Amino acid sequence: DAKTTQPNSMESNEEEPVHLPCNHSTISGTDYIHWYRQLPSQGPEYVIHGLTSNVNNRMASLAIAEDRKSSTLILHRATLRDAAVYYCILRGVYGGSQGNLIFGKGTKLSVKP
Amino acid sequence: ETGVTQTPRHLVMGMTNKKSLKCEQHLGHNAMYWYKQSAKKPLELMFVYSLEERVENNSVPSRFSPECPNSSHLFLHLHTLQPEDSALYLCASSQANGAINYGYTFGSGTRLTVV
Repeated sequence: DAKTTQPNSMESNEEEPVHLPCNHSTISGTDYIHWYRQLPSQGPEYVIHGLTSNVNNRMASLAIAEDRKSSTLILHRATLRDAAVYYCILRGVYGGSQGNLIFGKGTKLSVKP
Repeated sequence: ETGVTQTPRHLVMGMTNKKSLKCEQHLGHNAMYWYKQSAKKPLELMFVYSLEERVENNSVPSRFSPECPNSSHLFLHLHTLQPEDSALYLCASSQANGAINYGYTFGSGTRLTVV
């Protein structure tokens, strides 16, 4: 299975940008990079995903290294509501068991006022 | 509200009880999933249903029995549980298509305590 490595925890100040790193050196050519986050007492929620090019949406940006062995989730202005555990997950594009969402430990982001 | 509703939100049951967890989605998704989240452990994928057929059972003990009567509903029947089964049980749904990668929508979970 393709695996990801993330720091256990990170801290940020409110209204500052946050860069959450993820290493995935064994990524295959058909793996998408997905990010989810889990707020306290809630189920995970989808944040963003990408394959090769950088991606932007209303929640965040995803920067993918040229060799695809690492990626960075960027929150442009952290708010207190962004405090959560952030998961970087590889998913096979063709579905089946390789397309299942398999969670690791993630990065616990704390945001200070 | 995510569009995936789980009931009950909290459940306390004895080891000899039988109970069921319910999950409902009206997002038009055709795949549904059960996950278990124990304290200080990553989410574990338990069961996968695609087009109402169970396609994965990740070595889950038989005291957990899933049921998917239609594409909108998913149940997890529980019997003779152990205290170590106490956890947050999460349901998710997605639009499964062999060649397209869709995101999952999760419910808020059922917090289960086995006493």
